[in-house]
Amino acid sequence: DGGITQSPKYLFRKEGQNVTLSCEQNLNHDAMYWYRQDPGQGLRLIYYSQIVNDFQKGDIAEGYSVSREKKESFPLTVTSAQKNPTAFYLCASSPDSTGELFFGEGSRLTVL
Amino acid sequence: QKEVEQNSGPLSVPEGAIASLNCTYSDRVSQSFFWYRQYSGKSPELIMSIYSNGDKEDGRFTAQLNKASQYVSLLIRDSQPSDSATYLCAVSGSARQLTFGSGTQLTVLP
Repeated sequence: DGGITQSPKYLFRKEGQNVTLSCEQNLNHDAMYWYRQDPGQGLRLIYYSQIVNDFQKGDIAEGYSVSREKKESFPLTVTSAQKNPTAFYLCASSPDSTGELFFGEGSRLTVL
Repeated sequence: QKEVEQNSGPLSVPEGAIASLNCTYSDRVSQSFFWYRQYSGKSPELIMSIYSNGDKEDGRFTAQLNKASQYVSLLIRDSQPSDSATYLCAVSGSARQLTFGSGTQLTVLP
């Protein structure tokens, strides 16, 4: 089935550790996105990529890093510089210029 | 700063009633408008998209767009308990980025 796969679904991290969240899509979409959602809040854009080997910062990029070496993959690293990393992280892709997004199931990160 | 504002909620309606969800946006060049439904603990799923002024109907859902007033709404007719979720309004400008509102939590009471 075509879709977006995020892993892991749940992740616990100690303070000071970097973690990488995986996002893979087989929809052949050019654009991919990472959003963060905090309880009771909307989605905030971390990073996005409209083409392989290129990505742009979103509204809250500090403390995060990404890569886009393949069209199918857009991993997100949450670094120790991110002050409040506990959140629900959503990866999405988009097929065209309308901005319509298709989401993965999300990864819930908890910092202990 | 592009902003998308939604009525704060939570909103409760009885089963079978019409639920009305509202959204305003600040960026006048916004071109695409979306409503996503998000169940608790799950990722958002697209339920409606609208690109031009007027109404767009899909089953029990109707999206309404008024670009002059920078206003987009979602009506859910014959509301069902399964419609209970948070509804996110999202607006896209020229950069293909979506800006999301904070969501309106809807509860449909049996």
